[in-house]
Amino acid sequence: EIVMTQSPATLSVSPGERATLSCRASQSVSTNLAWYQQKPGQAPRLLVYGASTRATGIPARFSGSGSGTEFTLTISSLQSEDFALYYCQQYYNWPPLTFGGGTKVEIK
Amino acid sequence: EVQLVESGGGLVQPGRSRRLSCIASGFAFGDYAMTWVRQAPGKGLEWVGVIRTKAYGGKTEYAAAVKGRFTISRDDSKSIAYLQMNSLKTADTAVYYCSRAHLLWFGEIYYGYAFDVWGQGTMVTVSS
Repeated sequence: EIVMTQSPATLSVSPGERATLSCRASQSVSTNLAWYQQKPGQAPRLLVYGASTRATGIPARFSGSGSGTEFTLTISSLQSEDFALYYCQQYYNWPPLTFGGGTKVEIK
Repeated sequence: EVQLVESGGGLVQPGRSRRLSCIASGFAFGDYAMTWVRQAPGKGLEWVGVIRTKAYGGKTEYAAAVKGRFTISRDDSKSIAYLQMNSLKTADTAVYYCSRAHLLWFGEIYYGYAFDVWGQGTMVTVSS
């Protein structure tokens, strides 16, 4: 099973600043990685797949990068609606499809 | 509008069974694999299982924690996916999300899924 590890667990950022979230895989997943956003009381929303392809309707301030075992989700200028939990998920070697433990982006 | 609506959650005693339903609308249900993902209170996301399309044999895959106890099925004529949960444990307490599985190819024969449409979730509480 591929284990996904996200860091940091909590990221404190001021509105308008850049946020950089990390996701590490226990073995290579090539670029077969997705990112999700989840707000309190809501279902997750797909942000990025293929490590860097934005899903439909996702603003350009969200960008994904990386390959192999190291991945990054960058939010270029945080808006109030971006404060949420973020999860990465690999779909390279499955079952199981595995998620990271999440990073909470909170207001500084 | 593309939509998934889950139902069937509630309080259930350990060892008992429960069936969740996921009604899809706004897209060609039979063209998509469907998956279930759960989230225990205050915890992260955990993949439960997937059912492929008929074109892929309707085959299912499950997480180790539920294999042998949970069964995913689908009725394409009604655009409904089901999660039959047997021998429930307190550790199964979670919000259960149904999601549409977006097929992603890499290489000629390998593929995986990301989850591009989600329902609102239904809470299952396993407790005596």
